[in-house]
Amino acid sequence: LAKTTQPISMDSYEGQEVNITCSHNNIATNDYITWYQQFPSQGPRFIIQGYKTKVTNEVASLFIPADRKSSTLSLPRVSLSDTAVYYCLVGPTYNNAGNMLTFGGGTRLMVKP
Amino acid sequence: EAQVTQNPRYLITVTGKKLTVTCSQNMNHEYMSWYRQDPGLGLRQIYYSMNVEVTDKGDVPEGYKVSRKEKRNFPLILESPSPNQTSLYFCASRAQGGTEAFFGQGTRLTVV
Repeated sequence: LAKTTQPISMDSYEGQEVNITCSHNNIATNDYITWYQQFPSQGPRFIIQGYKTKVTNEVASLFIPADRKSSTLSLPRVSLSDTAVYYCLVGPTYNNAGNMLTFGGGTRLMVKP
Repeated sequence: EAQVTQNPRYLITVTGKKLTVTCSQNMNHEYMSWYRQDPGLGLRQIYYSMNVEVTDKGDVPEGYKVSRKEKRNFPLILESPSPNQTSLYFCASRAQGGTEAFFGQGTRLTVV
């Protein structure tokens, strides 16, 4: 599985747009990029997944450049409730071994009033 | 409601006393998995299962056992718990070929 690198932490203020970048230089052709959000003492929650270009849902947008060696999770107009750890995962959507997910260290986002 | 349910949510036990943490999902998912989360170490996979009667070791399987006798259930068994197994445990499930993994609410285990 491709190794990912993300900032350890980020601070923002309510109402701002937050962009969290993840580097994955060794991404493979069949790898997807997936982001999860985790609140303290809760299980991770799926946010968004993409393969290339841009994906948008009701929660976030995911920007992936043509070389796919990095990706950026964009959270529009964050609120205090967006304070959480955000994980970038890179790997096949599924693999024959069934080994589901490999989490890195994540980015701890702190949203301030 | 689609969900993964773990029990108990909190457990304090003594060294060597066998325990089981249950996990059940109601989404008919093929894949299920157990993770532990420790400060500074992130989420690490303990065991996973592709389907009934098919299980395999993850990154940190020592001291744990699992079974998958039914599709919906994937219990985690600690035959002889030790203090270094004090952790926050999560169960997860995903459909084969699916995009999204669903996590339980977690079980905070303390072994004294």
